[in-house]
Amino acid sequence: SAVISQKPSRDICQRGTSLTIQCQVDSQVTMMFWYRQQPGQSLTLIATANQGSEATYESGFVIDKFPISRPNLTFSTLTVSNMSPEDSSIYLCSVGRPGENTEAFFGQGTRLTVV
Amino acid sequence: DAKTTQPPSMDCAEGRAANLPCNHSTISGNEYVYWYRQIHSQGPQYIIHGLKNNETNEMASLIITEDRKSSTLILPHATLRDTAVYYCIVRDHGSSNTGKLIFGQGTTLQVKP
Repeated sequence: SAVISQKPSRDICQRGTSLTIQCQVDSQVTMMFWYRQQPGQSLTLIATANQGSEATYESGFVIDKFPISRPNLTFSTLTVSNMSPEDSSIYLCSVGRPGENTEAFFGQGTRLTVV
Repeated sequence: DAKTTQPPSMDCAEGRAANLPCNHSTISGNEYVYWYRQIHSQGPQYIIHGLKNNETNEMASLIITEDRKSSTLILPHATLRDTAVYYCIVRDHGSSNTGKLIFGQGTTLQVKP
């Protein structure tokens, strides 16, 4: 299993500003994932963060808006840049192992409100 | 990864079995069926997964049809704490898969007293 800590748990931000969300895992993992969950919606994958390489973004998400860092095997950050009210969502960090018969683990999420 | 189809919502009486269906008609041979749930304001929680045989753990049972085109998650004795959104996800275990999960809309299960 893996224990994932996300910071902050929630924040209220002014439009036009940026917020960096931290994700800390209690064990070394190869892949970390960032998801967005808009109000009343399911989870949408933003990007996959692999240590030592640039993140891989899903369709509709770009690095300029959601820059990601992955400095080591236990930590990652997601920045939501130049925020607008449409960015108000829950952002979740997840870890998993590629190609293995194991489950994914999720943090508790960061609830972001942009005003 | 194959797409899944689930009913948007279901009700279940407390203490009764909750049977949540999922269609995955385009599933391929390497793809497993995973179930997660998300209780309000929490991160998704793993429940169970399987390839073709029925599976059971302390939380639930997973019944996969012989042709693997559909499955049912069974919560044998639902409690109010089982009220959540349940996601059925199909995931490839091959080396090309990074471990990412693609979520559908899920089924909102409401357990009623």
